[in-house]
This record gives sequence, C-alpha cells and structure tokens, in this order.
Amino acid sequence: DTGVSQDPRHKITKRGQNVTFRCDPISEHNRLYWYRQTLGQGPEFLTYFQNEAQLEKSRLLSDRFSAERPKGSFSTLEIQRTEQGDSAMYLCASSLVVDNEQFFGPGTRLTVL
Amino acid sequence: AQTVTQSQPEMSVQEAETVTLSCTYDTSENNYYLFWYKQPPSRQMILVIRQEAYKQQNATENRFSVNFQKAAKSFSLKISDSQLGDTAMYFCAFSLNTGTASKLTFGTGTRLQVTL
Repeated sequence: DTGVSQDPRHKITKRGQNVTFRCDPISEHNRLYWYRQTLGQGPEFLTYFQNEAQLEKSRLLSDRFSAERPKGSFSTLEIQRTEQGDSAMYLCASSLVVDNEQFFGPGTRLTVL
Repeated sequence: AQTVTQSQPEMSVQEAETVTLSCTYDTSENNYYLFWYKQPPSRQMILVIRQEAYKQQNATENRFSVNFQKAAKSFSLKISDSQLGDTAMYFCAFSLNTGTASKLTFGTGTRLQVTL
C-alpha cells in the first residue's frame, strides 16, 4: 500500500503524559500536513511542512505541541503534558506542491483520561 | 481569513436518487481551490472532487459533479444515482492557490445517509 500511513491508530494516555505520533507520507510528496478533528467537526489545520521546513503553524498549536519532519520524509507530532481537551483524531495528509491535492492517512485517535 | 459553511448537518436520500449538498465560502482572494472530501464511518478521508477557481467549467467525476458559482461564493456537490456506499460525512474545503499557503479550511460537514 503506497498511501499515507499513521502510527499508532489509537492511543490512550493519562493526563500529563507525553505522546508522539508518526506519519509516513506518500513517498514522492514533498508537503506534509497535520490536522486535528474532534467529534462532529471538520478537521482543523495544525501545521505543515514543505520538505523538512515547517512553513506554517496554527494558533491551535500551543507550546505543548511540536512537530518535526527530519530529512523531509516521515513526520512526528509530539504533545507534552497532555490535557483532556487534546482528545481528538489527529490526521496527517500529504501532497505535491504543484496541485495541493491532499491525501489523508487513517488518523491517530487520542484519548486522554 | 477564509471560512467555509455547510448549512445542512444531515441529509438523507434513497438509493438511485439524486442529492445536492450545499457549501458556501468566504474569501477576498481570487486564486484558490475548492474540494469535496468524503469520510465514511470509521474510515479515512478521501477526495471526491476538486475545482480550480479560475476554471469556469464545473468539475465532474463520474456520478459526482459540482455547481461552482464564484460570484456567489457557492460550491455545491451533486451526487447522481446514489449508492449505499455513498453513506458518509461530506466535507467542503478551501485552499489558497499560492506558493506556500496551501492548508485546507474545512466546513463542519454534512452527514449523508443513503437508504434502500
């Protein structure tokens, strides 16, 4: 399967713990995006990378959130000191620069107890 | 800032019938893309159809077509010959067409149920 993959698919953690999610984009895609989706809502943009450069971050991305894309390949999203309000589906997408058609992964569902 | 509004939280259609989902958006920009994404229950989001704002011709993909009214900032999705597999959340989304600004702004979605 050459689509976007995310790991883990589900994560349950206790409040205050740190969590890290991984996204592997489609191999030739140079743009990678992170979105957050809460129940009954559309996805909200968090941040995106072009190759290894982080080009834009949403105000939703507090200082507890950090994202990296070393070497312009896979990306990680870390949430430190998780809060119950962080419970959501975290979606990753990738695209080529030329047409911005974003392909989504299956998401990581985070539950903070 | 751009906004996307979907005013129909839920819709229902019988199999083989036609249904239209509404979407309006607000932007002061002239060069952008519009998209409809489908999110089946417990499955990942997939692109249904896209439209470049500079193109006057409405996009079509098999049973899916759009009615793009740029002046009215309206972008509706028509699904013809509805099938049970079309049951899903449908999201309208917007992105600018510039060198670096490419994030998607989504509406709140329309839940479509296709019935027998």
